[in-house]
Amino acid sequence: VQLQESGPGLVKPSETLSLTCNVSSGSVISNVYYWTWIRLPPGKGLELMGYIYHSGDTTYNPSLKSRVTISVDTSKNQFSLRVNSVTAADTAVYFCARVVLYSGYVDSWGQGTRVTVSS
Amino acid sequence: SYVLTQPPSVSVAPGQTATIICGENNLGSFNVHWYQRKPGQAPRLVIYDDTDRPSGIPERFSGSTSGNTATLTITRVEAGDEADYYCQMWDSSSDHTRGEHVVFGGGTKLTVL
Repeated sequence: VQLQESGPGLVKPSETLSLTCNVSSGSVISNVYYWTWIRLPPGKGLELMGYIYHSGDTTYNPSLKSRVTISVDTSKNQFSLRVNSVTAADTAVYFCARVVLYSGYVDSWGQGTRVTVSS
Repeated sequence: SYVLTQPPSVSVAPGQTATIICGENNLGSFNVHWYQRKPGQAPRLVIYDDTDRPSGIPERFSGSTSGNTATLTITRVEAGDEADYYCQMWDSSSDHTRGEHVVFGGGTKLTVL
């Protein structure tokens, strides 16, 4: 499988960050995988933001739950991330990735896209 | 909620063995995975389910868990092993709707002297 992130590299404070992950050489409709967004802020560690099953069932990081929405479009074989009310603390490299059910490890990653929050 | 504790840095000479530790209460009861991340690249899975190696990962990489600790061991360290290493846990038995069952450690920078 291959994953590719797309979306704006610059977002203004208080606005909404939107990214899409296109999945190729594989299907989001799978009963063995979740689809996830993980970010890496500068100088910090990896943070799993949430994940989604092809049915649309989602799980979110409790520290971000109020601002994050992950959705899936099975007809386009892609899934998306929205983060509301962004601040400079949301500046990071954002990765879309695939998580193996039951064990929970990430076996495939997109290359990552850098998003900067600045006016 | 869980917090995985890793040392910020580990240094080792080429050819020696690097040991990176990840700690959390009762960590040996969960699934633990390890990732390598080099600058400008996406992370790469190097150990999954505590001890298993994905195809293409050298046998020099191994993992273990016991009690409150998980360990990534890299033998015969090479310059190309210099990277950030992250542990990750997955608690398969807890309520997943709260989102507290999956956590990354803060990362360990491995420097090859």
